Amino acid sequence: DQQVKQNSPSLSVQEGRISILNCDYTNSMFDYFLWYKKYPAEGPTFLISISSIKDKNEDGRFTVFLNKSAKHLSLHIVPSQPGDSAVYFCAASGSQGNLIFGKGTKLSVKP
Amino acid sequence: KAGVTQTPRYLIKTRGQQVTLSCSPISGHRSVSWYQQTPGQGLQFLFEYFSETQRNKGNFPGRFSGRQFSNSRSEMNVSTLELGDSALYLCASRPTGGRGYTFGSGTRLTVV
Repeated sequence: DQQVKQNSPSLSVQEGRISILNCDYTNSMFDYFLWYKKYPAEGPTFLISISSIKDKNEDGRFTVFLNKSAKHLSLHIVPSQPGDSAVYFCAASGSQGNLIFGKGTKLSVKP
Repeated sequence: KAGVTQTPRYLIKTRGQQVTLSCSPISGHRSVSWYQQTPGQGLQFLFEYFSETQRNKGNFPGRFSGRQFSNSRSEMNVSTLELGDSALYLCASRPTGGRGYTFGSGTRLTVV
């Protein structure tokens, strides 16, 4: 029973264009959502987060949108750069605090 | 400020052996969590410790155990290793009341 789903295993985008990574969740008790970026053989690096009381959070080129009614969130990267190429994980947490991760989306940004 | 430190970085063990992995959290962080990453399953939660007490546990067999010391450093132990235990084991810490975790670089365990 996957509570956090990233349905696109991979995404390829041209440099300078927008990258949109999607994530769906099933547990309505989740109240905090995070995006992590991961390179091979390294630990995930925190990118951006959003609380369930908000529907948007921005940090530089990264924006996360939350649609609670649809149980859906997305990460927008504008403009995309080759250095953004990595695996992106969506994660959710509830009252217990531990993170439940999706299986990741591999983003490739082509020069 | 030093990050989360995991040792060793790489480990090769034989089926049936046991292994202990170590994690030093960010100074001041009292909550430490462990995750297993495999190609097919993504990152799966193992357990979380806070002030030397296990606060939460994922869906893993009893062969996987952990502990936390008074200085917040944590260890996880896997007994009777199986080939399927080959994975990247990640440790993460967070400040008290914080929701975001900082991850270490992981320990790559290979069971042969």
